[in-house]
Amino acid sequence: GAGVSQTPSNKVTEKGKYVELRCDPISGHTALYWYRQSLGQGPEFLIYFQGTGAADDSGLPNDRFFAVRPEGSVSTLKIQRTERGDSAVYLCASSWGSTGARGNGYTFGSGTRLTVV
Amino acid sequence: DAKTTQPNSMESNEEEPVHLPCNHSTISGTDYIHWYRQLPSQGPEYVIHGLTSNVNNRMASLAIAEDRKSSTLILHRATLRDAAVYYCILNSGSNYKLTFGKGTLLTVNP
Repeated sequence: GAGVSQTPSNKVTEKGKYVELRCDPISGHTALYWYRQSLGQGPEFLIYFQGTGAADDSGLPNDRFFAVRPEGSVSTLKIQRTERGDSAVYLCASSWGSTGARGNGYTFGSGTRLTVV
Repeated sequence: DAKTTQPNSMESNEEEPVHLPCNHSTISGTDYIHWYRQLPSQGPEYVIHGLTSNVNNRMASLAIAEDRKSSTLILHRATLRDAAVYYCILNSGSNYKLTFGKGTLLTVNP
C-alpha cells in the first residue's frame, strides 16, 4: 500500500493478557519506528529498527515490551502481562533512513489504540 | 536534541492566515527545524522542515529567525481540515529519533 498500515486499529484486552500489534511499513523503507502516545501527550519513542535489527530499544519501558522485524519489513510489537498503564495509542512509522535532513521525514500509521481493562 | 516551546493552543478563522510560533533558544548548528501535525485519530504527518533559510511547500511556509532561536509555521489560508496539533521538533542530521513535545492545538473556526 501507499502508507504505513497498522492492525488492529483498536484492541481491548484484559489485564495480564498478551497482545501483538502489527505494522506494515512503506515498501522499501529500511527504517521502522514504534512510538507510544498517551492522552494529551506527544508521541514517545519506543524502538528503532534498521533492517531486521533493533538499533535502539532504549524507549521500551520494561522487559514486558518486545518488538521484532524478522524479514526487514513487517514489524510486531509484543506486550506481555499487560497492565492498565499500557493503555495508549501505539504508532508505527517508517522512513528511508535518519530523518534529520530528509525531505519528507517519517511516515506514520494511524496507530493502534490499546485499552487494557 | 534541544527543547522547543510552543503555545498550548491557538485559534484561527477559516480562510485567514495562521502563524504558529516556536521558540528554540538552545538550538545547535546541526539541528534542523521540523514541523509535524496530527489530525484527530491520525498519526503525525510531516509538514515542512528547514535549517537556516525560509522554506515553502504546498502545505505551508517556514520562517526561521536570523539567529535561529525561533521559527514560525505559516498556513496561508486556514481551512477546517487544518485543525490539528502542530509539533515543532529539532532534529540533527544524523538523529533518527523525533522528540515530540505537547505541540499547539490549532482550532479553525468556520
